[in-house]
Parts: sequence; structure tokens; C-alpha cells
Amino acid sequence: DQQVKQNSPSLSVQEGRISILNCDYTNSMFDYFLWYKKYPAEGPTFLISISSIKDKNEDGRFTVFLNKSAKHLSLHIVPSQPGDSAVYFCAASAGYNNDMRFGAGTRLTVKP
Amino acid sequence: GAGVSQSPRYKVAKRGQDVALRCDPISGHVSLFWYQQALGQGPEFLTYFQNEAQLDKSGLPSDRFFAERPEGSVSTLKIQRTQQEDSAVYLCASSLVSSGRLGVFFGPGTRLTVL
Repeated sequence: DQQVKQNSPSLSVQEGRISILNCDYTNSMFDYFLWYKKYPAEGPTFLISISSIKDKNEDGRFTVFLNKSAKHLSLHIVPSQPGDSAVYFCAASAGYNNDMRFGAGTRLTVKP
Repeated sequence: GAGVSQSPRYKVAKRGQDVALRCDPISGHVSLFWYQQALGQGPEFLTYFQNEAQLDKSGLPSDRFFAERPEGSVSTLKIQRTQQEDSAVYLCASSLVSSGRLGVFFGPGTRLTVL
């Protein structure tokens, strides 16, 4: 069962514009959410996270928004840069369970 | 470098062959995770170690899969009698603290192809 879903397999954005990557989850026990970025032939790299007690977390150009009632989170990148082109994975965990559940990923392409 | 390293990076096995995949975590990292990533999918949890103790192996898909971390550092994921459905990238990750939710560091993965 897919408890974390990223319904857009790909997204293309012009340099300087905003990139919005979406993620939905079904398990109401999830209380911690993370975004990872992955370049080809490399492992995923931690980008930003958010606890369920917050609805927003910002780090430079990256902001994650959490809507608990809709079981939805999004990653905003502004302004987008060509170096942001990568696959982005959303992940979620419950309590201190180490079983992180990942979405299938969204491939972001930022065009110069 | 100081990151998580995995070897081999690529492995081709004939169906029925046994394979062993190695992970060298970041020095001093307490937690070590193994994930399986099938083509076009996100990583799926296999197992978790805290130091040398395997605290969670609920994600291992069958008893053909076995993982160990005998001295609390290097870990090996062994797959016996490989099947075609075992073809995937196997990712190892480590974390300084006991909870992986604070962010884990992934290795580059081992791509296993079973013919």
C-alpha cells in the first residue's frame, strides 16, 4: 500500500520561477515529514523537514508547507535554479519509528 | 570522502546466485538503514540497526534476505538464491542519532541486476 504519494512524476519550470512539488499521505499517524533530493548515480540528500506541530518550515529558498487536515504537504523552491534539477522524494514517519515511507519521487527540471 | 560508501556499485548476478552488498557508514554514526529502490519507485525500508543490534527487520521481503552489522560499523546485506524481482538499487543510510527522522545520510547505492 502506498502511504505516501507523489502524483506528479515530473515538473518543468523556468529558471527564476517558483517550483511547487506536492505530496499526499494516508496514514494519520505520520507526524514527521522530510524532503530528499537525488541526483543521478547518487544517494538521496536530506533537504528539509517539518514536524506535525508546525504548518510551515523555511530554509533559504526552500519552504515546506504542511496541511494536516488535507494530509498534504508541499515543497516550494523560489527562485528555482538549474542546479535544482533533480528527483525530489517526500518521506514520512510515525512516532520514533525508523520506518520512513517514501513517495515515488518527482523529477524537477529547471530550464535556463 | 567522509560520506556513506557502498560496494560494489554495480552487481550482476545469475538467478539463484548469492550476493553480498557492503555498506561503510559515516564514522561514529549509531544508526544504519538499508532500503530497496525499484525502478521508478521511492526507497522502501528493509531493516534498521542501532550499533550492532538489528532493531527492526520488518521490511525484509523474505527469509532470503539477511543483514548484519557485527561490530556496529560496517554492514552487509546478503541475498541468497537471488530472483529477478530482487533487481533494484540497494541504498544504505546512516544517522548520528538513534532516530533516523532527524535526517539520514544515504550512500550512492548498489545497483543489483539479476538475470
